[in-house]
Amino acid sequence: KAGVTQTPRYLIKTRGQQVTLSCSPISGHRSVSWYQQTPGQGLQFLFEYFSETQRNKGNFPGRFSGRQFSNSRSEMNVSTLELGDSALYLCATFTGAGNTGELFFGEGSRLTVL
Amino acid sequence: KNQVEQSPQSLIILEGKNCTLQCNYTVSPFSNLRWYKQDTGRGPVSLTIMTFSENTKSNGRYTATLDADTKQSSLHITASQLSDSASYICVVMNSGGYQKVTFGTGTKLQVIP
Repeated sequence: KAGVTQTPRYLIKTRGQQVTLSCSPISGHRSVSWYQQTPGQGLQFLFEYFSETQRNKGNFPGRFSGRQFSNSRSEMNVSTLELGDSALYLCATFTGAGNTGELFFGEGSRLTVL
Repeated sequence: KNQVEQSPQSLIILEGKNCTLQCNYTVSPFSNLRWYKQDTGRGPVSLTIMTFSENTKSNGRYTATLDADTKQSSLHITASQLSDSASYICVVMNSGGYQKVTFGTGTKLQVIP
């Protein structure tokens, strides 16, 4: 079965622009979470969606937003881009129950802000 | 506050040698601990899962251990290969109202010929 699909894989923007990233979870999975990964900070949690509802949010400014559609596909948007937003943005879907839950990650979207 | 600390931050070893990566956590209530391997520019992939009752688990040349009393885990890589060059991230999941995850900052391993 297909894994978590993220598009685009690479993109370059300039300061002040906005960007939209897309994530399609594993078929049948309704949970989608987003992470920002930079060399110095590791994986930082952005937000999590389940059945079109945001149920948890990390400590990021309001320029970072997201949504989830009825087919579980999710998008995240970053407005007014800053140089510090350059990062690998990862999407993951959670699966499993009890104490065997697992996050399956996509390949990420590499954003470079110039 | 839930935290996961990994050491060393980076490591260089010769091909064929063994190495051990460490993970200390203060996550409660504990559900499971996973080691992920992340190749450069790719998404992390799960290598092993450890639940509270397990203390050793192997996946090929990778062996993970868990000491739930001291809240420590290790990942031992045997007979390293060039393809083992990657970042290894320790991820601890708690069993809160809905699943919550705490990430370590990773250990960057470089295997040289």
